[in-house]
Amino acid sequence: DAGVIQSPRHEVTEMGQEVTLRCKPISGHNSLFWYRQTMMRGLELLIYFNNNVPIDDSGMPEDRFSAKMPNASFSTLKIQPSEPRDSAVYFCASSFHRNAEAFFGQGTRLTVV
Amino acid sequence: RKEVEQDPGPFNVPEGATVAFNCTYSNSASQSFFWYRQDCRKEPKLLMSVYSSGNEDGRFTAQLNRASQYISLLIRDSKLSDSATYLCVVSGHTGGFKTIFGAGTRLFVKA
Repeated sequence: DAGVIQSPRHEVTEMGQEVTLRCKPISGHNSLFWYRQTMMRGLELLIYFNNNVPIDDSGMPEDRFSAKMPNASFSTLKIQPSEPRDSAVYFCASSFHRNAEAFFGQGTRLTVV
Repeated sequence: RKEVEQDPGPFNVPEGATVAFNCTYSNSASQSFFWYRQDCRKEPKLLMSVYSSGNEDGRFTAQLNRASQYISLLIRDSKLSDSATYLCVVSGHTGGFKTIFGAGTRLFVKA
C-alpha cells in the first residue's frame, strides 16, 4: 500500500489566493482527519470524516476553511482567501476506525506571503 | 489546563541511558491512548498503542494509569536513532469524538 498520499508537498501562495490541499487515504480506511501543525500551537485536529461524512469540524479555524470528501478515496481542504497566519504544515491522516491508530501523509507545507 | 500535557523537554541523554516521558490527560472518559514519534520535518508515526495492562515492544514500554490519568513511555538502552519528538495522543468520544495530540517531548540522544 502506498500509504496516505498528499499533494502538493509544498505550496507558496500570495495572501488572498485560494489554496486547495488534496489527500488520498489508505484504501479500506473509513476515517479521515485533517491536521495543522505549527511551532506555536503544535498539532491541531481541524476536521474528521467518517465514511465520507464530516463528523466534527469544530477545529476548523474560521469560514475561510472548508473540507470535502466526495468519495472514500479523496478529500480536499480549501482555504479561501488565504492569509499569512495560515502558514503551517497540513497533514492528512486516515485510520480503520476513529479510535484506531492513524496513518499520516507526508504533509503539505503551506507558506502564504 | 490543556487536555493533554507533556513536558516539552528537551531531554538530552547519552547513548545507553534509560529515559522516561510522562503525559497527563484531563478527560477521564478517554478511551484510546498512543505514543507517536515525529522526526524533524516528517510526519508523525505510530510508535505504540498504550493498553491498560501496560505493553512492551523491544526497548520501549508504555503504561497507562487511569486513576491518575497519565500515560508513560520508557525507553531503555537509548540509541542515537531514538532522537525525535514523542507525541502523546488521547482519543475518545465525549460530547463528540476528539483526538488530542500533546505538544510533544523532544529527545536528543548523544554519543
